Amino acid sequence: AQKVTQAQTEISVVEKEDVTLDCVYETRDTTYYLFWYKQPPSGELVFLIRRNSFDEQNEISGRYSWNFQKSTSSFNFTITASQVVDSAVYFCALSAWGMDTGRRALTFGSGTRLQVQP
Amino acid sequence: NAGVTQTPKFRILKIGQSMTLQCTQDMNHNYMYWYRQDPGMGLKLIYYSVGAGITDKGEVPNGYNVSRSTTEDFPLRLELAAPSQTSVYFCASSPTTGGTTEAFFGQGTRLTVV
Repeated sequence: AQKVTQAQTEISVVEKEDVTLDCVYETRDTTYYLFWYKQPPSGELVFLIRRNSFDEQNEISGRYSWNFQKSTSSFNFTITASQVVDSAVYFCALSAWGMDTGRRALTFGSGTRLQVQP
Repeated sequence: NAGVTQTPKFRILKIGQSMTLQCTQDMNHNYMYWYRQDPGMGLKLIYYSVGAGITDKGEVPNGYNVSRSTTEDFPLRLELAAPSQTSVYFCASSPTTGGTTEAFFGQGTRLTVV
């Protein structure tokens, strides 16, 4: 079965600090997709990025960057020069084929709550 | 753009009551999903649908039912509400199956069963 582990339950930083959110995944599927979603205090889920298993290039989007390493089954997310508006719960998710279920499913990690203090 | 719309946003139910959580999307997506989010946890899939008339169980389907009579609507029915169903419920849709593309989420329904 697939699994996503976000070991950091909560992180608190001061504005302008850099912060990295860790995500480790498990799957037997060779074709899978990884996602990061942001859940601000208002509660909705906002898509941030998707990466497929064949594309290990790192990605940068403004202050956000993602580091995908298949060798360690990790898909970490870094926010550079954090801002108060970055305060949210961040979820990593994995889409993979389940050998036991016979279908593709999206599995979420338990989330990391990021608090950015002014 | 409305996207995915859920109603109601909040609801308190008594044990044993029933209710329907409404979800509608205007993006013509074939795939729709219901998730629940318990405090401090990730989202767990309750039911999903690959198109009108086709639904299937997810990880945690017990105590729930769904129907999909149109592409736009995917209501979730709770029969005989129990305290264990206290959660935040999210409806989502996607243009392709099972997360090969991003899902679009509604704003959630916070349900409390007392």
